Amino acid sequence: KQEVTQIPAALSVPEGENLVLNCSFTDSAIYNLQWFRQDPGKGLTSLLLIQSSQREQTSGRLNASLDKSSGRSTLYIAASQPGDSATYLCAVLTSGSRLTFGEGTQLTVNP
Amino acid sequence: SAVISQKPSRDICQRGTSLTIQCQVDSQVTMMFWYRQQPGQSLTLIATANQGSEATYESGFVIDKFPISRPNLTFSTLTVSNMSPEDSSIYLCSVGGGNTGELFFGEGSRLTVL
Repeated sequence: KQEVTQIPAALSVPEGENLVLNCSFTDSAIYNLQWFRQDPGKGLTSLLLIQSSQREQTSGRLNASLDKSSGRSTLYIAASQPGDSATYLCAVLTSGSRLTFGEGTQLTVNP
Repeated sequence: SAVISQKPSRDICQRGTSLTIQCQVDSQVTMMFWYRQQPGQSLTLIATANQGSEATYESGFVIDKFPISRPNLTFSTLTVSNMSPEDSSIYLCSVGGGNTGELFFGEGSRLTVL
């Protein structure tokens, strides 16, 4: 059974800092890995999708890497802003179109 | 990407009643997924809904409690039946984005059961 773990569970940083969120998964037989953002009480916004054959994806100030063999992914946020405050979820897609989520990292960026 | 609309966005319900959540997508999709997010927790898949067939439920979820309809390729409903306070959650509809395997989510329906 696939298990996804995110570290840290919560993170508070001053504005402008670069930061890294970590995601690990137990079964490397994945089709892709996706990072989402969730604002309180809201749905999920897709941030980055990395296919199993890819090593990284970039979108603006966000960069996600994938090391499938070691079961790890990182989300790098450059020059953080208060508007980045949200919960960040990683999820892996396995057979049967089954998406397994981590518990999320709650990020607070202080002005 | 897909644009997904859910109704209601939130509701407060009485114990023992049932509520139906609607999910409308702006394009035709084969598979639609329903997730539950209990307070302070991550998302758990309830079921996969394919048009023209019975929904496939995950372990711990049953059709009598969470009946699902999928009448066409752009619409689905999830009913939460005989609600109890433990059903207070955000319920989210999701669809796949074609060949990439990317998944997109609606804004969610936040249910509070008193």
